[in-house]
Amino acid sequence: LAKTTQPISMDSYEGQEVNITCSHNNIATNDYITWYQQFPSQGPRFIIQGYKTKVTNEVASLFIPADRKSSTLSLPRVSLSDTAVYYCLVDNYGQNFVFGPGTRLSVLP
Amino acid sequence: EPEVTQTPSHQVTQMGQEVILRCVPISNHLYFYWYRQILGQKVEFLVSFYNNEISEKSEIFDDQFSVERPDGSNFTLKIRSTKLEDSAMYFCASSEAGLGLDEKLFFGSGTQLSVL
Repeated sequence: LAKTTQPISMDSYEGQEVNITCSHNNIATNDYITWYQQFPSQGPRFIIQGYKTKVTNEVASLFIPADRKSSTLSLPRVSLSDTAVYYCLVDNYGQNFVFGPGTRLSVLP
Repeated sequence: EPEVTQTPSHQVTQMGQEVILRCVPISNHLYFYWYRQILGQKVEFLVSFYNNEISEKSEIFDDQFSVERPDGSNFTLKIRSTKLEDSAMYFCASSEAGLGLDEKLFFGSGTQLSVL
């Protein structure tokens, strides 16, 4: 089961770009990389998913280098409402999603 | 946008009592999950369910827990004899297809279970 490592916490200010990097050295060929966001007292919410290179949607961008041993979630121009815990998950084919402790992002005014 | 709904949002029970947590997954989804999160801790996998049977379960999901899909829309988690340490937020999730490749989970808002 691919294990992920992310910073426990990060601080940012409103309007800044935030990059959260996740390490997954043991990622398998079939694994996708998925990021979730969780607000207090709510269930995790899907943000973005990718396999390689770069993926962008209306919420974020995901950068994955060629070796796929890490990935970086990029949140452009964060606001106070982006304060949440962000989880990086690597789907081990046929296994169930395992959540790590995530990265607690605090956006300050 | 379709969503996973869970009821009740809060459940208070006495230790030793049975509780049933209910979930309505997204209608065209075929895979269902229960996770829990103890206050301040990470989201923990409990069980996955497909085709009316358990696909996988964690060591947390012991004999006190059971899951059921009693009809075409509901998915339930039963705890037979609750313990204090079962107090947590319980999340139901569903996915359109099985895990692998590009699947993603959709979570409900959770049921906060408090065991007194």
